[in-house]
Amino acid sequence: SQQGEEDPQALSIQEGENATMNCSYKTSINNLQWYRQNSGRGLVHLILIRSNEREKHSGRLRVTLDTSKKSSSLLITASRAADTASYFCATDGADGLTFGKGTHLIIQP
Amino acid sequence: DAGITQSPRHKVTETGTPVTLRCHQTENHRYMYWYRQDPGHGLRLIHYSYGVKDTDKGEVSDGYSVSRSKTEDFLLTLESATSSQTSVYFCAIRGGQVGSYNEQFFGPGTRLTVL
Repeated sequence: SQQGEEDPQALSIQEGENATMNCSYKTSINNLQWYRQNSGRGLVHLILIRSNEREKHSGRLRVTLDTSKKSSSLLITASRAADTASYFCATDGADGLTFGKGTHLIIQP
Repeated sequence: DAGITQSPRHKVTETGTPVTLRCHQTENHRYMYWYRQDPGHGLRLIHYSYGVKDTDKGEVSDGYSVSRSKTEDFLLTLESATSSQTSVYFCAIRGGQVGSYNEQFFGPGTRLTVL
């Protein structure tokens, strides 16, 4: 069963705007990871945040984790057309990685 | 794609025929995974391996078997393919121990159509 659930399912914004995606999960985790999938390709790891971390940055990506609310958010700043893709959160727990259904992000030029 | 390949990349087969998908890695990673991806379901784990000859079932293992006779190869077999197994199949690899902070690297995927 899905552990992480992304919200929204789809998001369309203008190039240059910021994009925020959320992920909620149900059980305790060791860490939470975000992946990107371009159309027709495999998933690519973006960033990992450990359960004892609250925020992490990587380039234009900012991830937060609130273990008390069992939720995470991924912020992409200054979006570009190349950011168009599906984004998945994955929780890393006792049974390994469990993926959500993803958020499909479209960046309008 | 981090030294991980899948073959074939595309396959069309008929109901009832056996199908084997191959995942090959050059990273010497211990853990290997097979997922299927379907619209509305995201990625679901079929089987995984934590070493040569060591495999275990995932969330959607019915109708699938796996084998790992070498570190670098992880085979997924559909003994008798059904139309419900039409999907995109992804292999992934991961190093380190369970519970360690390691990401998974994904292969390019195999698109399987069962008619």
